[in-house]
This record gives sequence, C-alpha cells and structure tokens, in this order.
Amino acid sequence: QVQLQQSGAELVKPGTSVKLSCKASGYTFTSNHMNWIKQTTGQGLEWIGIINPGSGGTSYNVKFKGKATLTVDKSSSTAFMQLSSLTPEDSAVYYCASGVYYGPLIGYVMDAWGQGASVTVSS
Amino acid sequence: DIQMTQSPASLSASLGETVSIECLASEGISNDLAWYQQKSGKSPQLLIYAASRLQDGVPSRFSGSGSGTRYSLKISGMQPEDEADYFCQQSYKYPYTFGAGTKLELK
Repeated sequence: QVQLQQSGAELVKPGTSVKLSCKASGYTFTSNHMNWIKQTTGQGLEWIGIINPGSGGTSYNVKFKGKATLTVDKSSSTAFMQLSSLTPEDSAVYYCASGVYYGPLIGYVMDAWGQGASVTVSS
Repeated sequence: DIQMTQSPASLSASLGETVSIECLASEGISNDLAWYQQKSGKSPQLLIYAASRLQDGVPSRFSGSGSGTRYSLKISGMQPEDEADYFCQQSYKYPYTFGAGTKLELK
C-alpha cells in the first residue's frame, strides 16, 4: 500500500531555510500528485501546494508563494518542500499527502498522508 | 478561497450514541468533499471521499452525505476508538481548504 515516510523534526533559526523530504513507496511515484499541508493549533490545516512528480508542474496556495518551493527526485521517489526566510509563524507540523484524480464522479482524493514533520523556528 | 465552516467545534457522545458533524462551504463544491479523522499525535486518516464514499478499511458506522454547499459526517454508534479530531476538506478548487475541525470525546 501507499506509504509516505517524512524526514525528522527540525529546530531552525529565524531567517534560515529548511528542506523537508517525503519518500514514497508502494506505488508508481509519478502516478500520484504530492500535496503539502501545514498544521498549527491556531490556524488548523492549510494546504500549501501540489506537485506533479511526472512533469514537475506545481500549483501553490497564494499564501505560501515565495515561502514554499516544491520539488521531486524521481530517481528516489522522494518529494521535497523547502521553506525559506523562516519566522516563528512557520513553526508547525508539515505533512505530505499523496493524491489522485479519479475522474468527474469521484474527483480528487488525498488518500495517504505521511507521519508529519515538526518544524520549530526559534533563536 | 472557498471557506469551509465546520460545526460543532467540540462534541461529547456516549458509547453507542449517533453523532453528526456538519460542514458548510461558501460556494457549491459538487461533492468534492472529504472527511478525515486525526487521533492525538497522528496524521489525518481519510474516512470519506466524494462526500459519501467510504474509504477501504473504514468501519461502516461512518457515513457521509450532502450536496451543493452542505455536507455531513455521521457516526452511527460511538465507539471508544472514535475519540479524535475530525476535519472536512474541499478539493473542488485551488487552494484546497479545510474545516476548523471537531473534537469528539467519549462522555
């Protein structure tokens, strides 16, 4: 079955960048999109963006443009999200989630999530 | 962006009780609606997709319904393992958006 293994917790300083990874297994990596989601106690769940591993095409939530950059490495079936110019407001748990479009009757489904990666931004 | 208004924010139910959680979208989302369960310290798990389709492996006491802008999740017979946070999410239009969540506790 689909499994997504995310990188570990990060403690980083304000103004720096961090790159999170999400290694996929159990399916053909290029068959599913990869979404990234931010979770905080205050703001809840926020969708950051999506990448098509086959084409490299991306779409971002306007709120996260300039903050997040999504990439993939097809050779290792791994998706990455780089977060730049970090502030304490970027402290959160970040999830990757695999998604598939099943057609007009079912639509788009994010059916597998990674275990989450905690990012803490603090000096 | 499509706003997803989820209610109630919290809910307490007795063993075997039937509970309902609702989500109201700010515009029609054509049944592109999923429900997730998140237990403490874990990642969200898909329960329902396309508003009413049960994900493989999810107990049949969970069901989803709705259309247009109004959707609901029903748990028919609360079990101890159902204590969790529940979220709705629309995938009709970018950016995908989530409800604020419902905390369900066992009374």
